[in-house]
Amino acid sequence: EAGVTQSPTHLIKTRGQQATLRCSPISGHTSVYWYQQALGLGLQFLLWYDEGEERNRGNFPPRFSGRQFPNYSSELNVNALELEDSALYLCAGGMNREFAEQYFGPGTRLTVT
Amino acid sequence: QKEVEQDPGPLSVPEGAIVSLNCTYSNSAFQYFMWYRQYSRKGPELLMYTYSSGNKEDGRFTAQVDKSSKYISLFIRDSQPSDSATYLCAMSEQGAQKLVFGQGTRLTINP
Repeated sequence: EAGVTQSPTHLIKTRGQQATLRCSPISGHTSVYWYQQALGLGLQFLLWYDEGEERNRGNFPPRFSGRQFPNYSSELNVNALELEDSALYLCAGGMNREFAEQYFGPGTRLTVT
Repeated sequence: QKEVEQDPGPLSVPEGAIVSLNCTYSNSAFQYFMWYRQYSRKGPELLMYTYSSGNKEDGRFTAQVDKSSKYISLFIRDSQPSDSATYLCAMSEQGAQKLVFGQGTRLTINP
């Protein structure tokens, strides 16, 4: 069975641009969680989507947004990129009722110059 | 003060040693406690999770939760070079649906 997939692997953008990151959870998982792993800060919770709806968001500005599609894949958009947005963005899939078990993808490395 | 504190290490031990990894936390509402392993350039991999207090064992790995001390541990017995990775603790409140992670401890097992 295929694991959680994320694309692209690497993304290089300049300040002020927009970035779009994609995630597909394991088949059968309806929830997608997004995390930011910046150097020295550890994993920070960004967003949670379940059944197509945004259910919770972390302490990030509104320029971080996303959506979940009918096939449960998800997209994270970061607008007006800033240098400090450079990080590894991880998505995890899971089941709403079993949220403690989250299965992570390999991440997208975003570099903002 | 961070909600979850974890010594970043690095921690280096010889092959076969027992490894002890720990996290402390300040939020008494945390009910779910997880340990993830992250290899370089990979996403975190769920090792174990525990609900509330107590011990849980899975092969060479044992997770312990002491809610009275707000302290959790992961023990690795008969450590192998393949255990070399960053270990992350994570916690969550009942119904919060988000994980709060420690910074991770970088572990190296020397052959």
